Amino acid sequence: EVQLVESGGGLIQPGGSLRLSCAASGFTVSSKYMNWVRQAPGKGLEWVSAIYGGESTYYADSVKGRFTISRDTSKNTLYLQMNNVRADDTAVYYCARISGSYLDRWGQGTLVTVSS
Amino acid sequence: DIVLTQSPGTLSLSPGERATLSCRASQSISSSYLAWYQQKPGQAPRLLIYGASSRATGIPDRFSGSGSGTDFTLTITRLEPEDFAVYYCQQYGYSPTWTFGQGTKVEVK
Repeated sequence: EVQLVESGGGLIQPGGSLRLSCAASGFTVSSKYMNWVRQAPGKGLEWVSAIYGGESTYYADSVKGRFTISRDTSKNTLYLQMNNVRADDTAVYYCARISGSYLDRWGQGTLVTVSS
Repeated sequence: DIVLTQSPGTLSLSPGERATLSCRASQSISSSYLAWYQQKPGQAPRLLIYGASSRATGIPDRFSGSGSGTDFTLTITRLEPEDFAVYYCQQYGYSPTWTFGQGTKVEVK
């Protein structure tokens, strides 16, 4: 069974750093394109970042230069390194598996709260 | 950048009624790149429809998608109690990017 489990969220001060993890089972993260999508409290969905084969990475303008997506094939885990976080980065962060042009599997999400 | 506008913002219906949700793109998009998701409170989104009209695995046939160009529709023929949720449309762009509509909430009347 395909499963994605995020972890690493929490309370962090503005300007701080945090690394989110997404442990996959039922498939290998290295064989699939993967995404991070976030949802601010009470708001809609916002794409954050994607990683393709060959380690090509892509970012929304709102996080470019601050966030880094990566994966560890030995741990079958996807990561999102978040640096210099801001209050508007507060959201539930979901990892999702890409299938063609859509997202066919999602994790349950991990909450990141940026506040002093 | 392509903007997806969903309407209405909230749809108040009773179980058994038909729901029609609209997603309009700011410019023409390929039907292959339009998807719909369902999200219930406290849960992750779930893929319902991809390629504008193909149901994802395990999705009941009361859900259907249609449309082309700039206008797309998600129809739920007879609302079941578990269908009351927020629905998002999503478009894939070549950059690549994934753009979501702002969502339509289907609530119990």
